Amino acid sequence: DVKVTQSSRYLVKRTGEKVFLECVQDMDHENMFWYRQDPGLGLRLIYFSYDVKMKEKGDIPEGYSVSREKKERFSLILESASTNQTSMYLCASRTRQGTMETQYFGPGTRLLVL
Amino acid sequence: AQSVTQLGSHVSVSEGALVLLRCNYSSSVPPYLFWYVQYPNQGLQLLLKYTTGATLVKGINGFEAEFKKSETSFHLTKPSAHMSDAAEYFCAVGTGGFKTIFGAGTRLFVKA
Repeated sequence: DVKVTQSSRYLVKRTGEKVFLECVQDMDHENMFWYRQDPGLGLRLIYFSYDVKMKEKGDIPEGYSVSREKKERFSLILESASTNQTSMYLCASRTRQGTMETQYFGPGTRLLVL
Repeated sequence: AQSVTQLGSHVSVSEGALVLLRCNYSSSVPPYLFWYVQYPNQGLQLLLKYTTGATLVKGINGFEAEFKKSETSFHLTKPSAHMSDAAEYFCAVGTGGFKTIFGAGTRLFVKA
């Protein structure tokens, strides 16, 4: 059974803190994604990684960075958390064949920035 | 540019009634179309997808969707709603490159 795990289900952080969100997949997928989900806005792509150490900006990369040192792990970093980054964060992975392929999602991390 | 519009942020049906969730897309190239479902406090999981071939696609839990190119639609249906179908449903389109575009979502409520 395919599996995408995220390091935390719930996080509470203070404004200005550096925040790390971790995602691990066990399917040997090349592509990994970070989205944020907000009511009425659906999923918006923050960053995408198509292979180890490779990354592309998505639609809303400002205030975020990512790291992919190993194929199975993709980290999202909030350099200095702000209240407008309070959201649900979803990680996903996919094979390299492209957008016809299914994305597999983790359970999400609900982040509250105070 | 590709886009997805889901008509209705909330849909309420009675148990046993027809479920119809609407999705329209825009794409300059043949699209790949998806419906994902998100149950409370969970990530998204694939319900069904259209890539090529038969335009009527059957998915899990009795759902199906029909790709209508002339109407640029990919509506999701289920003949008889169950309480367990209460969730949020996302339509998505992939057209090459790396991005999949998601709609804003439709929350389905099922009344007993």
